Amino acid sequence: DAGITQSPRHKVTETGTPVTLRCHQTENHRYMYWYRQDPGHGLRLIHYSYGVKDTDKGEVSDGYSVSRSKTEDFLLTLESATSSQTSVYFCAAGTPGEQFFGPGTRLTVL
Amino acid sequence: ILNVEQSPQSLHVQEGDSTNFTCSFPSSNFYALHWYRWETAKSPEALFVMTLNGDEKKKGRISATLNTKEGYSYLYIKGSQPEDSATYLCAFNPNTGNQFYFGTGTSLTVIP
Repeated sequence: DAGITQSPRHKVTETGTPVTLRCHQTENHRYMYWYRQDPGHGLRLIHYSYGVKDTDKGEVSDGYSVSRSKTEDFLLTLESATSSQTSVYFCAAGTPGEQFFGPGTRLTVL
Repeated sequence: ILNVEQSPQSLHVQEGDSTNFTCSFPSSNFYALHWYRWETAKSPEALFVMTLNGDEKKKGRISATLNTKEGYSYLYIKGSQPEDSATYLCAFNPNTGNQFYFGTGTSLTVIP
């Protein structure tokens, strides 16, 4: 896991509620990424960060926001969760040439 | 959005068989091609990073080749074992931007 943890590991929430997922890394990687994994789609990039307070959108960013106030933490927020955001969320950290993944967070939106 | 395709989508082989699968990616703006092994309920684990056309990498019974001019990479497993059962992902890393583009993976099941 290269020192990458995610919390929570599992969450069940209701439509319309805000949800924040946390990714924490201990290797001082500059780049951090949030992906979602859905059947038939593989891993799709939501947002990524290339430094503290520097973030950019990925392929499926609608409905998600991120923040990175410290090198080691990258937060993913669903402002108002929808059932279409039920998924497994993976955080990664590394460089543009190499990424290491966290264990994943399974989110269910009812 | 860049198109990265993997085939086949799934594969069942007998223990001891050798097998291979394909990753196709854009042949322009190439920087690197990554292979990951992803076991159920775990996180993807890096197998190979390939950067040069004609590259061949090997780790035990698993090897990979790269053709950047035509935009494909092959992953080979020699003498498959049940513990090789996993999803194998490839990711295309262009020389523009900071993103990886993942294929949907090949799910390998090795039957004892």
